[in-house]
Amino acid sequence: GDSVTQMEGPVTLSEEAFLTINCTYTATGYPSLFWYVQYPGEGLQLLLKATKADDKGSNKGFEATYRKETTSFHLEKGSVQVSDSAVYFCALRARSGAGSYQLTFGKGTKLSVIP
Amino acid sequence: EPEVTQTPSHQVTQMGQEVILRCVPISNHLYFYWYRQILGQKVEFLVSFYNNEISEKSEIFDDQFSVERPDGSNFTLKIRSTKLEDSAMYFCASRTALNTEAFFGQGTRLTVV
Repeated sequence: GDSVTQMEGPVTLSEEAFLTINCTYTATGYPSLFWYVQYPGEGLQLLLKATKADDKGSNKGFEATYRKETTSFHLEKGSVQVSDSAVYFCALRARSGAGSYQLTFGKGTKLSVIP
Repeated sequence: EPEVTQTPSHQVTQMGQEVILRCVPISNHLYFYWYRQILGQKVEFLVSFYNNEISEKSEIFDDQFSVERPDGSNFTLKIRSTKLEDSAMYFCASRTALNTEAFFGQGTRLTVV
């Protein structure tokens, strides 16, 4: 079945450091890929997405590129801020059924950014 | 900005008791979902609901679970007889139409003792 593996946390970085959170996936066909973020006390929010190979999703300074050859969708940010402290989830949605919206998530990576 | 609201934020219940988790999806949304995350594990799909019926469910969603949209605004998840292993964070989500992204609530942490 489909699965998502992401880097175990927690990750602690100093402000302005470079961030990479690794994510690899296993799926049949060509899934859509997502990064969700959960800030303390809030729900899961879509951060960025990519729907086909070589697409780059970007938002709020974060980027991730859909790499079919390595089945990866690593999240990067050039300079993190304290306000980026949150839990980050990689997820995929397989292309199945017109009404299907079954997301397969990774375990989540907790990021703490210290001043 | 419209948001999905879940209540309560934390619920403690005794094993064997029934529990109802409540969600208010965004008002013009048509598709509704429940996911859960057991501590330290992955977020898992439970069920999707559209047009007043279940459209998909996972293996986790057995006869102990049921969903309902009782009044056109709330979307509930009922667990009939809770087990210790039902302890998890439960997320509700909704979306407006096909090919749009889902919005998630902040979750309800269920603790079964």
